[in-house]
Amino acid sequence: GQQLNQSPQSMFIQEGEDVSMNCTSSSIFNTWLWYKQDPGEGPVLLIALYKAGELTSNGRLTAQFGITRKDSFLNISASIPSDVGIYFCAGQPLDNMRFGAGTRLTVKP
Amino acid sequence: EAQVTQNPRYLITVTGKKLTVTCSQNMNHEYMSWYRQDPGLGLRQIYYSMNVEVTDKGDVPEGYKVSRKEKRNFPLILESPSPNQTSLYFCASNSRWGRETEAFFGQGTRLTVV
Repeated sequence: GQQLNQSPQSMFIQEGEDVSMNCTSSSIFNTWLWYKQDPGEGPVLLIALYKAGELTSNGRLTAQFGITRKDSFLNISASIPSDVGIYFCAGQPLDNMRFGAGTRLTVKP
Repeated sequence: EAQVTQNPRYLITVTGKKLTVTCSQNMNHEYMSWYRQDPGLGLRQIYYSMNVEVTDKGDVPEGYKVSRKEKRNFPLILESPSPNQTSLYFCASNSRWGRETEAFFGQGTRLTVV
């Protein structure tokens, strides 16, 4: 079954604020991935992390692969209205990919 | 353009009437999978395939079948749909198992079973 705990479930923020969300796992993962899903679309990859401790940025997004390999976080700086959507973490243990339940982000202009 | 194509995008059907949702990818990926998305539960894997003629159950396989006769296609079959299979379905493919697992997703199929 699902092994990832993603929090928070939802966030309502003002445009310009920073956002932080995280995922924890009961087991060790070899890969952490962060996806964004726009309304009516399939998830699109934002950032991929392959090594414990790795910190990676993609524009205003920053993600880290936790040292214990059991957690990851995603930060979004200076949020804008188009950041609205559902953000999923995904992790890959030895066999198969698992997804978190998602964080629904709402940005108020 | 690299893409995963699902059809149909929307489907309303009745309980017990067999249906197939098609999925096709043009990236020559070995690995393909099906997920269902339900509120508060994220994406749960139904079935996956690591290559032609190689399929395996994911977390929620009951009530579904798949086949992988060609590398590019991975249809999802509901032999006798029930209302609890009303959901949003996504097909995904990626190039390698283990590393560089950037999964490309289709646009989704919203299925309603009445």
